[in-house]
Parts: sequence; structure tokens; C-alpha cells
Amino acid sequence: EAGVVQSPRYKIIEKKQPVAFWCNPISGHNTLYWYLQNLGQGPELLIRYENEEAVDDSQLPKDRFSAERLKGVDSTLKIQPAELGDSAVYLCASSLGYGRSGEQFFGPGTRLTVL
Amino acid sequence: AQKVTQAQTEISVVEKEDVTLDCVYETRDTTYYLFWYKQPPSGELVFLIRRNSFDEQNEISGRYSWNFQKSTSSFNFTITASQVVDSAVYFCALSEGADSNYQLIWGAGTKLIIKP
Repeated sequence: EAGVVQSPRYKIIEKKQPVAFWCNPISGHNTLYWYLQNLGQGPELLIRYENEEAVDDSQLPKDRFSAERLKGVDSTLKIQPAELGDSAVYLCASSLGYGRSGEQFFGPGTRLTVL
Repeated sequence: AQKVTQAQTEISVVEKEDVTLDCVYETRDTTYYLFWYKQPPSGELVFLIRRNSFDEQNEISGRYSWNFQKSTSSFNFTITASQVVDSAVYFCALSEGADSNYQLIWGAGTKLIIKP
């Protein structure tokens, strides 16, 4: 069974440029998460989707970040414009069920460097 | 206050030694879940275990074992006869709260270095 797929794996951009990350969750997983992970820290949730609905986006900086999950499968996370402080690893995860008991499966992440 | 505390920032041991990674959590919920994840140098977080708050039985999986003690709010992870491939950052995480606000609360991670 294929795992969570993310692309690109690495991205280097200059500040003020836009950037987009793509995620394909495990087949059949209704719940999709986007996390941000800074070096030496645990992941921080940005947004959670149940199918195509964003049910928790309270920690998404909406002035520059946006996300979508059309058709409830693939998802895209966008930053526009990027700032130096956005340099981090962006992780996508998916889980089978709703609620707090579901284990999350993570993709390899996209390492973003903003110059 | 941190809800999940992994006090050990980095641990270094020689191969074949046993090593225990500590995790202390804080919650007012009676029902909650605890997790351990491994993050090797490749970067992908790998699920290791999930334990619910009503199951205090210790669990063993090969060289891995987990000790869950509600009395001390701890969920420690032991690797027996460590191997170089165990080198990674290990995260403990807590899930609590109403389902509508579900999220994992992560510790800061413990970097484990296994020397050959």
C-alpha cells in the first residue's frame, strides 16, 4: 500500500515569492492534516480536513497561507507571499477515521527554504 | 505549561545498550490517547504505538517496550539492545479534548544517537 505522498521534497525560494505544496493521502483516508515542523521541535498543526471540509484551521495564518482539498482526496497548501520565517518542513498526514484515536500516517515532508 | 514534556533533549548510547526515553504528560481529560512516533534522518514520522487512557498494561513489541503509568502521568519508551538503526528523533504525543478540536499535542522530541 502506498504511503502519503508529498511533493516537492525540497523547495528554495526568495522571500515574497509564492510557493505551493502538494499532498496525496493514503487511499481511503478521510482525514488529512498539514503540519509545520521547525528544526528541533515537534510538528504544529496548521489545518485538518475531514473529507473536503476544513474542520480545524485555527492555527493557519490566513493572511498568507491557504489550503484546499478539492474532491476530498489530494490537498494543496500555499504560501503567498513567503517570508523568511516560513522556512521549515511542511508535513502532510492522513488518518482513516475521525476523532482522536486514529493514528496518523505521515509523508516525507517538504523542506522549504526562504532566502 | 507544556502538556507533553520530553525532558531528554538528546541521548547517546553505545550499540547494544538499553535506553529509556521519558515522556510526561498533563491533561484533565479522563479519556485520552498517547502516541510515540519515530523520525529518522530521512524525515518521515513513523507511528510506533497508540495507547488509550484506560489501558495501563505495558506493551512489548520486539526490542521496544512501553511503560504507561497514570499515577505519574508518564508513558516511557524503552529500547532493549539498541541498534544503530534506532538512531532517530522520538516524539511522544497526546490527544485530548472534544473530537471537533482533535489534534495531537507533541513533545519537543528526544534525539537518540546509537554509536557503533
